Amino acid sequence: NAGVMQNPRHLVRRRGQEARLRCSPMKGHSHVYWYRQLPEEGLKFMVYLQKENIIDESGMPKERFSAEFPKEGPSILRIQQVVRGDSAAYFCASSPPEGLYEQYFGPGTRLTVT
Amino acid sequence: AQSVSQHNHHVILSEAASLELGCNYSYGGTVNLFWYVQYPGQHLQLLLKYFSGDPLVKGIKGFEAEFIKSKFSFNLRKPSVQWSDTAEYFCAVRDSGAGSYQLTFGKGTKLSVIP
Repeated sequence: NAGVMQNPRHLVRRRGQEARLRCSPMKGHSHVYWYRQLPEEGLKFMVYLQKENIIDESGMPKERFSAEFPKEGPSILRIQQVVRGDSAAYFCASSPPEGLYEQYFGPGTRLTVT
Repeated sequence: AQSVSQHNHHVILSEAASLELGCNYSYGGTVNLFWYVQYPGQHLQLLLKYFSGDPLVKGIKGFEAEFIKSKFSFNLRKPSVQWSDTAEYFCAVRDSGAGSYQLTFGKGTKLSVIP
């Protein structure tokens, strides 16, 4: 029973490039959450999605960041025109429809902007 | 906004010592509480959780935590640590009264256990 999968595990981008982070939830899970961890900080909520719907994006920066969770395929967190301050670890979590309160985390994607 | 405080940034213990990691949260309403652990090179794993009922919660690997509502605390304990407990520990809170899905995390406590 595979857990939450994220790829890539490490991503290096130059300033101004785009970063695409992928998250495949656990089998049977239809709820996905994205969190960001800056150095020496705890994880901060970014966005909560269900299939084809953004439920809560209150933690997303207003510009350059977007997320989707299509009917087929993984959830994507997209960062356009990356800046050095975007360097962080990005974690995805998923939960089943009937257990909204327990979130299972993936290994994270470490984004480095040079 | 909610906040979660973990008192210790880095704790160093010898094997067999007892462990207590502090966690305090700011929100006064109904909450769900969690402790997650991240072993070196691995993803976050759920250690234990509190939703309601008995405030003393037992989790995996001999860990337990006690919810003290009057102190807004949810401290993690283990009577005797092992070298394999070396990891980073995160406390997290959710505002269940508002039906929120967001987890608010503390900054984490790194535990190093010396053989």
